[in-house]
Amino acid sequence: GDSVTQMEGPVTLSEEAFLTINCTYTATGYPSLFWYVQYPGEGLQLLLKATKADDKGSNKGFEATYRKETTSFHLEKGSVQVSDSAVYFCARQRGNYGQNFVFGPGTRLSVLP
Amino acid sequence: GAGVSQSPSNKVTEKGKDVELRCDPISGHTALYWYRQSLGQGLEFLIYFQGNSAPDKSGLPSDRFSAERTGGSVSTLTIQRTQQEDSAVYLCASSLALSGHSVSYEQYFGPGTRLTVT
Repeated sequence: GDSVTQMEGPVTLSEEAFLTINCTYTATGYPSLFWYVQYPGEGLQLLLKATKADDKGSNKGFEATYRKETTSFHLEKGSVQVSDSAVYFCARQRGNYGQNFVFGPGTRLSVLP
Repeated sequence: GAGVSQSPSNKVTEKGKDVELRCDPISGHTALYWYRQSLGQGLEFLIYFQGNSAPDKSGLPSDRFSAERTGGSVSTLTIQRTQQEDSAVYLCASSLALSGHSVSYEQYFGPGTRLTVT
């Protein structure tokens, strides 16, 4: 069935370091892909999304490119800040026409000053 | 405007008791989702309501779990005869989902209800 795999955390970085959080998905169809973020004490919120192959989603300095050939949607940021400390969830659309999502297990990021 | 709200924010109950968790979606959102987030785990899908269609209950872990959505708006998740393994944060989300559309709409999440079964 549909699934999403993320790199295990926690990830600890120093401020201004480069961030990559890997995400791969099962290659059934052409689902929309998403990154959600959960800041400490807050609910999940959409960070970025991509709806077709080669699309690049971007927001708040984060980017992710929909790679159909590698079934990946890795999250990157060139220079992280302490305020980026959160849990990041990769998600895919369930099927091609479903409005339901499949979420990855989440990756906790801690950025140290 | 108002976001998704959930109540209560925290619930402590004894093993074997029934609990009801409430979700108020964003006005006008046709789709409503329930998820469970256990400590240190990802989001586990429970149930999905879309308009007047029959709900997708494929994620409910046992027949002790049920949910309803009245009038296409408020939803209640009920857990009967709670067990300690039911302890988790229960998240509700809503979206402007339209059946048959290939584009996925963003899901807006509520703050969750933290359930502790003692």
